Amino acid sequence: GAGVSQTPSNKVTEKGKYVELRCDPISGHTALYWYRQSLGQGPEFLIYFQGTGAADDSGLPNDRFFAVRPEGSVSTLKIQRTERGDSAVYLCASSLAGGFYEQYFGPGTRLTVT
Amino acid sequence: RKEVEQDPGPFNVPEGATVAFNCTYSNSASQSFFWYRQDCRKEPKLLMSVYSSGNEDGRFTAQLNRASQYISLLIRDSKLSDSATYLCVVNMDSSNTGKLIFGQGTTLQVKP
Repeated sequence: GAGVSQTPSNKVTEKGKYVELRCDPISGHTALYWYRQSLGQGPEFLIYFQGTGAADDSGLPNDRFFAVRPEGSVSTLKIQRTERGDSAVYLCASSLAGGFYEQYFGPGTRLTVT
Repeated sequence: RKEVEQDPGPFNVPEGATVAFNCTYSNSASQSFFWYRQDCRKEPKLLMSVYSSGNEDGRFTAQLNRASQYISLLIRDSKLSDSATYLCVVNMDSSNTGKLIFGQGTTLQVKP
């Protein structure tokens, strides 16, 4: 079946602009996660959704970052006033439920802020 | 101190070699443990879970030592296709959200 998909695969934007990154989880998965991976590092947790609600947003670095999942399926990560330090690969993962279910990752969106 | 620490390598080994990766974690309340594999410019994929009793999947053996807060991965009879980055991952979230904490990753390059 279809895995997790993310769009766009690559995004180049200028410093100060607004960007939206989209994630389509595996159908039927209620849990959705966003992670960020910088070059040479492991992924870093950003936010977790259970259904429509953000159950844990402790990883969001500051208030320029926001994510939504209005219908409990597709999620959008929004970054305002982008900075060069936001350049990274943004990974989305979904699982059947929260807790210890296996997380399946999408291919990521490579964001470059110039 | 990082929550999950790994030697980034790279480990360069010949085909057929046995190679071991180690990882330490800082939070003794950690709940579950995994090794993920990540190919260059690809997403991480679950390789195996790690249990206290140790577990094996073909050429791969994972061990967990809770007392030392130490996790290991052993790869026997290395293949060229094993070349990748291996991520040590811990779920230390007692509220059961599934939040994963990743190590930096250890890069393995298997040479012919």
